[in-house]
Amino acid sequence: GDSVTQMEGPVTLSEEAFLTINCTYTATGYPSLFWYVQYPGEGLQLLLKATKADDKGSNKGFEATYRKETTSFHLEKGSVQVSDSAVYFCALNSGGSNYKLTFGKGTLLTVNP
Amino acid sequence: EAQVTQNPRYLITVTGKKLTVTCSQNMNHEYMSWYRQDPGLGLRQIYYSMNVEVTDKGDVPEGYKVSRKEKRNFPLILESPSPNQTSLYFCASSISGVAKNIQYFGAGTRLSVL
Repeated sequence: GDSVTQMEGPVTLSEEAFLTINCTYTATGYPSLFWYVQYPGEGLQLLLKATKADDKGSNKGFEATYRKETTSFHLEKGSVQVSDSAVYFCALNSGGSNYKLTFGKGTLLTVNP
Repeated sequence: EAQVTQNPRYLITVTGKKLTVTCSQNMNHEYMSWYRQDPGLGLRQIYYSMNVEVTDKGDVPEGYKVSRKEKRNFPLILESPSPNQTSLYFCASSISGVAKNIQYFGAGTRLSVL
């Protein structure tokens, strides 16, 4: 079945540091890939997405590239801010019979001033 | 404003006392789904609905029921809650179930079953 593996946290960085959160996946067919973000006390918000190989999703300074050859979708940001502190979820949707999102376990990011 | 609204946001109950968590969306979405979030497990799908009167089980349906009588509403029903259903619950919706479509999430319902 489908699965998503993302690096375990927590990740603690200083403001303006470079961020990478690794995400690899196993899926049938050609899934769509997503990064969702969950700020403290809130629901999940879509951060970015990519729907086919070599697509790059980007938003708010975050980027991720759909790499079919390595089945990866790593999240990167060149300079993090305190306001980026949140839990980040990598997810895929392979369509299937119910279009469910399969999530990784989440990575808690804390950015210190 | 486009949104998915869940109620209540917080709920403490006792074993065996039936409860319903409501979910409503104002985006005219056909597809709706319920997930539960548990530490170290990420989010897992409980039930989903492709349209009115069309529902089916997700990965962890045991102990839950749903209904979809109207397009905008998708309540989650716990007929006899147990402590292992203590969790954070999210409702999500999207336009017709296509893999690339964005799913919009509610703010979550934190349930504690004593």
